[in-house]
Amino acid sequence: DAKTTQPNSMESNEEEPVHLPCNHSTISGTDYIHWYRQLPSQGPEYVIHGLTSNVNNRMASLAIAEDRKSSTLILHRATLRDAAVYYCILRGGGSNYKLTFGKGTLLTVNP
Amino acid sequence: EAGVAQSPRYKIIEKRQSVAFWCNPISGHATLYWYQQILGQGPKLLIQFQNNGVVDDSQLPKDRFSAERLKGVDSTLKIQPAKLEDSAVYLCASSLDRPLRETQYFGPGTRLLVL
Repeated sequence: DAKTTQPNSMESNEEEPVHLPCNHSTISGTDYIHWYRQLPSQGPEYVIHGLTSNVNNRMASLAIAEDRKSSTLILHRATLRDAAVYYCILRGGGSNYKLTFGKGTLLTVNP
Repeated sequence: EAGVAQSPRYKIIEKRQSVAFWCNPISGHATLYWYQQILGQGPKLLIQFQNNGVVDDSQLPKDRFSAERLKGVDSTLKIQPAKLEDSAVYLCASSLDRPLRETQYFGPGTRLLVL
C-alpha cells in the first residue's frame, strides 16, 4: 500500500478554518485519497474521499494537488467536536476496498 | 439506520485465557472487517470478510486468533490463548463495497486488557 505522511499533531482555535496536510508522493494513478477521523473513545468515521478533483461535503473539503502528490483536508470552521485524530489513507483501485491506517494527525481545538 | 454493534465494550482477562468478541454489521453490508488498534497507533486490519468468505487475513496471527462470519451477517473474533501484547481496542467495521459506496462504518470497539 502507498504511504502517506502527516504531521503528528496540529492545533486550531474554535471557529477558525483548519488545513490538515497529507503527503503521498508515491501515489499511483488509481489510488483514491480517503480521510477518516477518530473522536476520543470512538471508532473511526468517514470524512471525505477523492481521486483527482477537489471535493466538498457537509463535513469538510478535500483539496488535491494537481500532481496528486499531496492533499489537504479543510475544516471550514473548527468546533470543539472536531478534536480528533485525522487519518489520510490511500485506497488502491480494484475490488478490495482495504484501508491501511497510519498514525494520523491529532487535532486539538482550543476554545 | 442502526450502526455497527459490538459487544462486550470492555473485557479484562489474564494471559493464556480465551476471549471472544461479537460484531453485528449494518444490515445489507456484505463486507465486514476486524481491526486491532493498539494505544497510540492507527487501526490495523486483521481480517476482511465478503459475505461468508475471507478476502484478506494476511495480518491475522492465526496461531491464536480466529474469526468466523456465519450466514454472512454476524461475526465473532476469538483469541486463544491471549498474550499481554493483545491488549488493544478491537474494532469491527462494515461496508457495501460497491464503486462509490465503499465507506466503512465502524463500531465503538471492544477494549481488551490482558493482565
